[in-house]
Amino acid sequence: QSALTQPASVSGSPGQSITISCTGTSSDVGGYNYVSWYQQHPGKAPKLMIYEVSNRPSGVSNRFSGSKSGNMASLTISGLQAEDEADYYCSSYTSSNTQVFGSGTKVTVL
Amino acid sequence: QLLLQESGPGLVKPSETLSLTCTVSGGSISSSSYSWGWIRQPPGKGLEWIGSIYYSGSTYYNPSLKSRVSISVDTSKNQFSLKLSSVTAADTAVYYCARPATTGVIDGFTTWGQGTMVTVSS
Repeated sequence: QSALTQPASVSGSPGQSITISCTGTSSDVGGYNYVSWYQQHPGKAPKLMIYEVSNRPSGVSNRFSGSKSGNMASLTISGLQAEDEADYYCSSYTSSNTQVFGSGTKVTVL
Repeated sequence: QLLLQESGPGLVKPSETLSLTCTVSGGSISSSSYSWGWIRQPPGKGLEWIGSIYYSGSTYYNPSLKSRVSISVDTSKNQFSLKLSSVTAADTAVYYCARPATTGVIDGFTTWGQGTMVTVSS
């Protein structure tokens, strides 16, 4: 199975909003509402930010939001803060009853 | 509070079998319909799902690793384990165990272990 496609990098200034895309196929992202987003700081385990396309786990800031249209899912970070600088990964359930991660996006706060 | 902890050798020789265990505390591995997963991350690279298991024993594996992977659960010890055979340098990675946020799914991992680095080298 191929990794979901994400932009290698996205940047923004503090206070701005940025959006990270995650492109798959009808066999994964487009076929199910099981898309998740993770934040990973260097040397740390990933942290779940969004699950089932748009649900936020308890404790995750409402500055993070998720959506999906067709075979593409998106993570939007509003009011960008220095602490948001990290790597972000999407993931999806697939029609093969497996799970696949995205290629990862490095977010830089200018 | 649910906690996961990986354990196992940090160095494995090429062609041998990598064996890791994830110990679950703060909750029972068999008390509900959660899946339990293994994910790895080679140095400087992205995340790769290895596979998941339900306490009933149902397993789901990454097709690219399926021929070499086995995941099992030991409810008496509240642990689940990973075995990866015929390892090469490409299997060098940080290995994480994790549990999803909701039952009945193998995606959306909300609880993660701290990760354990496994190096494949002679």
